[in-house]
Amino acid sequence: DVKVTQSSRYLVKRTGEKVFLECVQDMDHENMFWYRQDPGLGLRLIYFSYDVKMKEKGDIPEGYSVSREKKERFSLILESASTNQTSMYLCASSFSLVYEQYFGPGTRLTVT
Amino acid sequence: DAKTTQPNSMESNEEEPVHLPCNHSTISGTDYIHWYRQLPSQGPEYVIHGLTSNVNNRMASLAIAEDRKSSTLILHRATLRDAAVYYCILRDLRGSQGNLIFGKGTKLSVKP
Repeated sequence: DVKVTQSSRYLVKRTGEKVFLECVQDMDHENMFWYRQDPGLGLRLIYFSYDVKMKEKGDIPEGYSVSREKKERFSLILESASTNQTSMYLCASSFSLVYEQYFGPGTRLTVT
Repeated sequence: DAKTTQPNSMESNEEEPVHLPCNHSTISGTDYIHWYRQLPSQGPEYVIHGLTSNVNNRMASLAIAEDRKSSTLILHRATLRDAAVYYCILRDLRGSQGNLIFGKGTKLSVKP
């Protein structure tokens, strides 16, 4: 079975802290994605990566950065967390940009 | 990606078939119809996709109208585990970002 795992299900951080969210997939997929999901706004793409060390901005990249040093791992970094980054963060992977995406369970981040 | 319209909510009884409708009157010739679902407190899960012909897999069936302006996701025997929000999404295979644009979806309740 396809598997995407995320480092934490729940995370509480303080304003100004640097936050790392990790995602690992075991399907040898080329593409990985980071979304955030907020009530009434649906899923919004933050960044995606189509290969190791390659990244592209999504619709809302401000305040975030990403890292993909290995094919199976895609990290989302909040350089200085702010309260408006409180959200559910979802990682996904896919074989190609047009194939179905497989999601992790999500990390609910609260920034206080 | 083109817009889809789904009912906000639907109810079903356990063990009965469920037909979840989706309207997409502005669909283009290169749009695939994808369905995902999201169970409470989990990441979205791919269900099925199709272009013109009806499709079946182990989870569900997808019936696509001849003019492709609507489609129906069919769960043959609903279980309590099928209670989720179901999203109908159009994906243009020419797109370069690959991100999924989720609408509000249909919240399916399953009664025992």
